[in-house]
Amino acid sequence: GDSVTQMEGPVTLSEEAFLTINCTYTATGYPSLFWYVQYPGEGLQLLLKATKADDKGSNKGFEATYRKETTSFHLEKGSVQVSDSAVYFCALTYGSGNTGKLIFGQGTTLQVKP
Amino acid sequence: NAGVTQTPKFQVLKTGQSMTLQCAQDMNHNSMYWYRQDPGMGLRLIYYSASEGTTDKGEVPNGYNVSRLNKREFSLRLESAAPSQTSVYFCASGEAGRDEAFFGQGTRLTVV
Repeated sequence: GDSVTQMEGPVTLSEEAFLTINCTYTATGYPSLFWYVQYPGEGLQLLLKATKADDKGSNKGFEATYRKETTSFHLEKGSVQVSDSAVYFCALTYGSGNTGKLIFGQGTTLQVKP
Repeated sequence: NAGVTQTPKFQVLKTGQSMTLQCAQDMNHNSMYWYRQDPGMGLRLIYYSASEGTTDKGEVPNGYNVSRLNKREFSLRLESAAPSQTSVYFCASGEAGRDEAFFGQGTRLTVV
């Protein structure tokens, strides 16, 4: 079945460092891909998305490109801030009928130190 | 600006007790979802409702029931709680076709 695999965490970086969180997927069909972020004590919120191959999603300095040839959707940011500390989830839509159901990766915890 | 509201935020149950988790959204979305979040496993779909009056099983439906009371409300019921149901539960809503899901703040449930 469809699945999402994220790099293991936690990831600890110094402020202004470059961030990459790897995400690969297995899917039948052509899913949409997402990155969600969860700040401490809160629900998930959409960070960015891409709906077809070669699309680049971007928001708040984060970027990810839908790579069909490598089945990847890696999250990057050029210079992280302490406020970026959170759990990041890669996800894809699955199932027929465009229901909006999501499969999530296991999450990657990012801690940014001043 | 409420979005998706879940109640309660925290709950402790004894094994065998029952309870209902409530969820309401004010964004006029047709689709609503219940997920559970467990350490190291991400979120997994329990049930979803594509529209008022319809519900369908997700990945992990065993031990749960749902009711789509109206367009705004989607409740999750545990009839006989088990320790394996200790988790954080998230309700979400969205408009199928637009893909983005909006999440509530979660209910942390502990079954002892």
